[in-house]
Amino acid sequence: SYEVTQPPSVSVSPGQTASLTCSGDKLGDKYVSWYQQKPGQSPVVVIYEDNERPSGIPERFSGSNSGNTATLTISGTQAMDEADYYCQAWDSNTVVFGGGTKLTVL
Amino acid sequence: QVLLVQSGAEVEKPGASVKVSCKASGYTFANYDINWVRQATGQGLEWMGWMNPNSGNRRHAQKFQGRVTMTRDSSISTAYMELSSLTSEDTAVYYCARGIGVTPGRGAYSYYMDVWGKGTAVTVSS
Repeated sequence: SYEVTQPPSVSVSPGQTASLTCSGDKLGDKYVSWYQQKPGQSPVVVIYEDNERPSGIPERFSGSNSGNTATLTISGTQAMDEADYYCQAWDSNTVVFGGGTKLTVL
Repeated sequence: QVLLVQSGAEVEKPGASVKVSCKASGYTFANYDINWVRQATGQGLEWMGWMNPNSGNRRHAQKFQGRVTMTRDSSISTAYMELSSLTSEDTAVYYCARGIGVTPGRGAYSYYMDVWGKGTAVTVSS
């Protein structure tokens, strides 16, 4: 079965750019979505179709996907962005989640 | 306002079954898939399956083969997920989420979940 891999943790200083990666075989041939989950809350989609932002998601969130790696970029990271982030792809009529990355803003 | 309202917390004994409901409002229930995703404490998201309320088509993760049943009652815009033969490993928060699938352009299929319920805590304990 298809798998996507995320680093367990990423740290970033406030105001800096955070890059969260998601890797999988020929992932660039698929569309990737990203979800943000804060403690005690349900996940929220922040990027879909590789680089589309749902309404209400700040412009500092952007995405890209090429080759074997998709990247969620948070520009000018704020303390409120500290959360777990999950990438998600679609393969063989099934949903595939990455293991998640804990983003720490310090 | 699009909402998915889930049933309340459940406590079950090992070997029992649990049935979680997810009531949709604010949109046409038949037009979007319902997904089920679970999350054990401190762990990541685990996709369980999806169901199309219109066609009844469904697909579940291989891990849950023979244990998960997804159904719906379209007359009340409600989806259900039943998990049987429960063990302590099934203790988790279970989410329903609305799925959107489109083919934007480069031939690949995009599928994502844009609305999530608040989750139903299921505890399996003797």
